[in-house]
Amino acid sequence: AQKVTQAQTEISVVEKEDVTLDCVYETRDTTYYLFWYKQPPSGELVFLIRRNSFDEQNEISGRYSWNFQKSTSSFNFTITASQVVDSAVYFCALSGSGNTGKLIFGQGTTLQVKP
Amino acid sequence: KAGVTQTPRYLIKTRGQQVTLSCSPISGHRSVSWYQQTPGQGLQFLFEYFSETQRNKGNFPGRFSGRQFSNSRSEMNVSTLELGDSALYLCASRWDIYYEQYFGPGTRLTVT
Repeated sequence: AQKVTQAQTEISVVEKEDVTLDCVYETRDTTYYLFWYKQPPSGELVFLIRRNSFDEQNEISGRYSWNFQKSTSSFNFTITASQVVDSAVYFCALSGSGNTGKLIFGQGTTLQVKP
Repeated sequence: KAGVTQTPRYLIKTRGQQVTLSCSPISGHRSVSWYQQTPGQGLQFLFEYFSETQRNKGNFPGRFSGRQFSNSRSEMNVSTLELGDSALYLCASRWDIYYEQYFGPGTRLTVT
């Protein structure tokens, strides 16, 4: 069975602090896809990144960076110099072989960035 | 390019009624998926349609059904509504099966 675990339910930081959101996944597929989405208070899920299981390169996009480690089945997300606008719920998701439309989501981590 | 649109945005229904939700994907996207989001169960996959064919289905009762039209627009129907069906229903589209999904703003359904 496939599963995504985001152990951190809520995180609160002060603006400009760095914060890492953890994501651990389980799958028996050899090919799979990992995603991060952001859900601001408006409710719409915003796509942040997609990672294929065969590409373990870390990625940096502005203040965002992602660390994918197959050895520990983790796909962690770091926000550097957090800002108030980063406050949202962040979801990690997994899609199995064939990248079907079925995303398995973690329970989400609520990030609050205080000014 | 316009994003995924969903109508209506808010809906209040009574137990036992049925409801139809609509989703228009991003232009050119052929795949549409539906998800249910509740505080207790989180985000759960309902089904995916690709080129008018249901490609995958989640673990929901038969009261939940969907379809996709030739223009890729999709509808989701829930019959015999129950209180537990109150949720945010999200639609997502993608160009093809190897691409990421883009979500709409959702339809907030309240069953009383």
